Amino acid sequence: DTAVSQTPKYLVTQMGNDKSIKCEQNLGHDTMYWYKQDSKKFLKIMFSYNNKELIINETVPNRFSPKSPDKAHLNLHINSLELGDSAVYFCASSHGKLAGAGETQYFGPGTRLLVL
Amino acid sequence: GQNIDQPTEMTATEGAIVQINCTYQTSGFNGLFWYQQHAGEAPTFLSYNVLDGLEEKGRFSSFLSRSKGYSYLLLKELQMKDSASYLCAVRSGGYQKVTFGTGTKLQVIP
Repeated sequence: DTAVSQTPKYLVTQMGNDKSIKCEQNLGHDTMYWYKQDSKKFLKIMFSYNNKELIINETVPNRFSPKSPDKAHLNLHINSLELGDSAVYFCASSHGKLAGAGETQYFGPGTRLLVL
Repeated sequence: GQNIDQPTEMTATEGAIVQINCTYQTSGFNGLFWYQQHAGEAPTFLSYNVLDGLEEKGRFSSFLSRSKGYSYLLLKELQMKDSASYLCAVRSGGYQKVTFGTGTKLQVIP
């Protein structure tokens, strides 16, 4: 059983297109995240949701819009894709938003996006 | 803001011990994580420190000094499969915002 799953695993598309990436977790966690990892392997937080509520929204172009239909799902829609959007996008989840010991994040396998 | 520094690359010999350092500057520090990431794969959790001192877990140990803004990950009895990137990550604030360092790419050689 996959704890955090993402689809698709690979996405190749043309500049200007609109695409979505989906994420699901079956761990019963309350908090989910989207990270972007660029070609230099720097992992940067984009968004975080707790029980469908947006709690972290970093400086990300508004072409990126997250949506959480329920606490087990967090999708990412990207409008008007640009060359610089090419990266690996990781979804992750953790127990909850309150600080506590060992709030480990569990990562999905990543979606490799290539914009041509 | 936050600033997290790690060496970019390290090389060590199979069977040896290696220490990967991480220094950070942050406000509202609330814990430090180490993750391992093999090439083409997702990061996986290795360790968590919130109090000063050493946490040991098998061949891996992690140390934290909050006053110095310093942590290290110690890997003993290195194996070839330990070749990976090691990411230091700092949590701050009330929400689960975790900021990752740029990672240290470790190569284990025979």
